[in-house]
Amino acid sequence: AQTVTQSQPEMSVQEAETVTLSCTYDTSESDYYLFWYKQPPSRQMILVIRQEAYKQQNATENRFSVNFQKAAKSFSLKISDSQLGDAAMYFCAYPLKGTYKYIFGTGTRLKVLA
Amino acid sequence: EAQVTQNPRYLITVTGKKLTVTCSQNMNHEYMSWYRQDPGLGLRQIYYSMNVEVTDKGDVPEGYKVSRKEKRNFPLILESPSPNQTSLYFCASSLWGQGQGTGANVLTFGAGSRLTVL
Repeated sequence: AQTVTQSQPEMSVQEAETVTLSCTYDTSESDYYLFWYKQPPSRQMILVIRQEAYKQQNATENRFSVNFQKAAKSFSLKISDSQLGDAAMYFCAYPLKGTYKYIFGTGTRLKVLA
Repeated sequence: EAQVTQNPRYLITVTGKKLTVTCSQNMNHEYMSWYRQDPGLGLRQIYYSMNVEVTDKGDVPEGYKVSRKEKRNFPLILESPSPNQTSLYFCASSLWGQGQGTGANVLTFGAGSRLTVL
């Protein structure tokens, strides 16, 4: 069964430091997309970053980057120079191309300490 | 502004009283879906739709119905709500599949609907 696992329910980081959120997944598909979404206290879900599995290069969006290890089925999110506005729940997710379902992890709550 | 609009944002109801949560998108997306968010469980997909009149079950469809009569609208219907359906609900839409550009499979979410069933 296809699954997404986020093993860290909660993490803390000092402002301006770097933090890495873990995500592992299980899929039988060979070509797929992976996503990180952010949910701040406002509850609005926002796309953080997207990775295409066939691309070797790790995706980067400003202070956010991923470490994509396809063989290990690992997709971690690195946040550099953490800011107070990064405090949120972060969800790892991927759409199942064959069935059109969308699978989410259970989320990691990130606290940013001033 | 490209957006997904869902209503109501907050609702308190009683067991057995039918309710509908509306969802509308203005991006001409083929794909629309509903999720519920519960503490410790993340987001779980309830139903999804690939296009008008095409819907299918997600992982937790029991107790819910949907319809897709128009491309822009995808209402979630709770025919006889029960307390275990107390949750935060999200509607989302997307382009789907390869060849759709960088927007493919990126979900645009509504603001969420907090539902309490007493």
